[in-house]
Amino acid sequence: EIVLTQSPGTLSLSPGESVTLSCRASQTISSSFAWYQQKPGQAPRLLIFAASNRATGIPARFSGSGSGTDFTLTINNLEPEDFAVYYCQQGNNWPRNTFGQGTKLEIK
Amino acid sequence: MQLVESGGGLVRPGGSLRLSCAASGFVFNTFDFNWVRQAPGKGPEWISYINTGGDDTYYSESVKGRFTISRDNAKNSLILQMNSLRAEDTAVYYCAREWVVPTIGFDLWGQGTPVIVSS
Repeated sequence: EIVLTQSPGTLSLSPGESVTLSCRASQTISSSFAWYQQKPGQAPRLLIFAASNRATGIPARFSGSGSGTDFTLTINNLEPEDFAVYYCQQGNNWPRNTFGQGTKLEIK
Repeated sequence: MQLVESGGGLVRPGGSLRLSCAASGFVFNTFDFNWVRQAPGKGPEWISYINTGGDDTYYSESVKGRFTISRDNAKNSLILQMNSLRAEDTAVYYCAREWVVPTIGFDLWGQGTPVIVSS
């Protein structure tokens, strides 16, 4: 099974700042890769699919990149509503897939 | 567009539960679906997939042989039959729509239904 390791576990930032979240796969994977945002009591929300494509309705301040084993999610000019937990997901052996353990983005 | 899960609850170890996911607002039979669960304080865990026709299914190793995914396209519904439940199956269970086949990405999720396995 491909393991995804997200870093850091928690980030403390202020609105207006920019941040890059990392996700590393235990082996080289395809670009079948997604990012999600989850707020307390809610289901995950798809942000990025195919490593770098924004899902419908996702603001341009969210961008994804990466290949091989290293993938990143960048959020520019953080808005108050962006403080949440972010998960990566890989589908190298689609439809089988795995999620990372999450990075919590909290307000400083 | 929405997905609404139901059927969760408290069950004893070794027991069974049948989860349902009702879809509305889109053409159900044109999408593949998944069940994903999330234990308290943990990340999501994919557990099962079904294709549009219901004749191709996959399971994670953690539930294979105990859980069965199915769908009724006439009723716009997705089902997860869970047998031989264990304490480690305790989680919120979500149904999730596959967005762009065959690249990963679940674009529509239900609100989740909690399953607690405890004696």
